[in-house]
This record gives sequence, structure tokens and C-alpha cells, in this order.
Amino acid sequence: AQSVTQPDIHITVSEGASLELRCNYSYGATPYLFWYVQSPGQGLQLLLKYFSGDTLVQGIKGFEAEFKRSQSSFNLRKPSVHWSDAAEYFCAVGGGSYIPTFGRGTSLIVHP
Amino acid sequence: NAGVMQNPRHLVRRRGQEARLRCSPMKGHSHVYWYRQLPEEGLKFMVYLQKENIIDESGMPKERFSAEFPKEGPSILRIQQVVRGDSAAYFCASSPPGTGVSTDTQYFGPGTRLTVL
Repeated sequence: AQSVTQPDIHITVSEGASLELRCNYSYGATPYLFWYVQSPGQGLQLLLKYFSGDTLVQGIKGFEAEFKRSQSSFNLRKPSVHWSDAAEYFCAVGGGSYIPTFGRGTSLIVHP
Repeated sequence: NAGVMQNPRHLVRRRGQEARLRCSPMKGHSHVYWYRQLPEEGLKFMVYLQKENIIDESGMPKERFSAEFPKEGPSILRIQQVVRGDSAAYFCASSPPGTGVSTDTQYFGPGTRLTVL
């Protein structure tokens, strides 16, 4: 069975600082990996996804994520955070015939 | 191309009443998924449907919950005899026909926030 762990429930950063949100997955073969963002009161919006190829994936809003097979990780990064990035971030893993499994989310708080 | 639409956005029910949540997928999408999000928790998969078929309902509670995706019209998630524990945000997502449910990007609606008094 596949699973996703987002070890940080809350992350607080200052505006302009760099950001890294952690995601670890468990899956027996090559996973399909996603990051979504959820603003308050809204649905989830896809930031980026990894299926194959280059392990560094560029997404929308200046986000990127790196797939590291040896560490079973797919961490999300942004070099400079904006106040509008404050939201809930979800990592998800899929593969084979399984419906993607979502992590419990990491809440990002941005201080001015 | 309109996104995934859900209505109502907010729904208030008293214990014992029925809740009906509607989801219209994006145009051209034939897969619909329902998720539940409880406060301070992530998304929990409930059910996956294609037109007129339930493909996977492994995440659906065995009693009181049902879902359908008819040939015409939106997908419906129905909760009978609601209880306070049903209070949550219910999200619908859709995806196009593709290589597999785990690889197709899911597009999410804004959700329906159900409050049971």
C-alpha cells in the first residue's frame, strides 16, 4: 500500500525567506508525485507533478520540487516566500492502479 | 472551460436530515472522485466513479453514505440521517480519461462545507 508522510504540521517563515516543505512517501515502484496548495476556503490547486524524467520539477508560482528516490522524498521548495503563499500544502503519491493518497498537509504561515 | 463546480458551497443540516452534495466535473472529464476533509486532517478518499459506475468505494462509510454519477447531470454524494461527525468539507475532483487513475491530474472543486447542528 502507498502512503505519504508530511512530518511538519505547521511551518512559519518570514516573507522573503526560503522555504522547504517535506514529503516522504512509501511505494513499491516508481511513484507519481504531486504537490497541491489549498488557500483558506478553497479547493486544491495543483502546483506541480512528477511522473518521470528530470528529478527537479518546476511548478507554478515559483515553486519547485526534487524527487530523491534514495530518500523516498519529494520536498517542495521556493527561494523567496511571499505573504500570499500562506496556505495549506498537500503532497500526494500515486502509481499503478491506485488512487492517489494525500498527506495530512502542512500549514504555511508567513510573517511580514 | 469552466472548472469543477460544486454546490452548495455551504450546507447546514440538523441531525437526522439528509444532505445532498452535487459535483459537476470539468468538460470532457469522465472520472469523479469524492474526498472528505475533517478539521486539522488531510484529504480522505471516499469514492471514485465513472459515468453510471462506481469503480472504487473503499473509502466510503458502509452506512448512510452513497454516491452516483448518472449518464446525465452531476455526480451526487448523499448522506442520510446526518450526525455531527459528518461535519466536514467535502471535495469533488475530476480527471480526464487517461493512462490511469493514479497518473491523471485531479482538478478540484471549491468544496461543500457541511455543518450538522
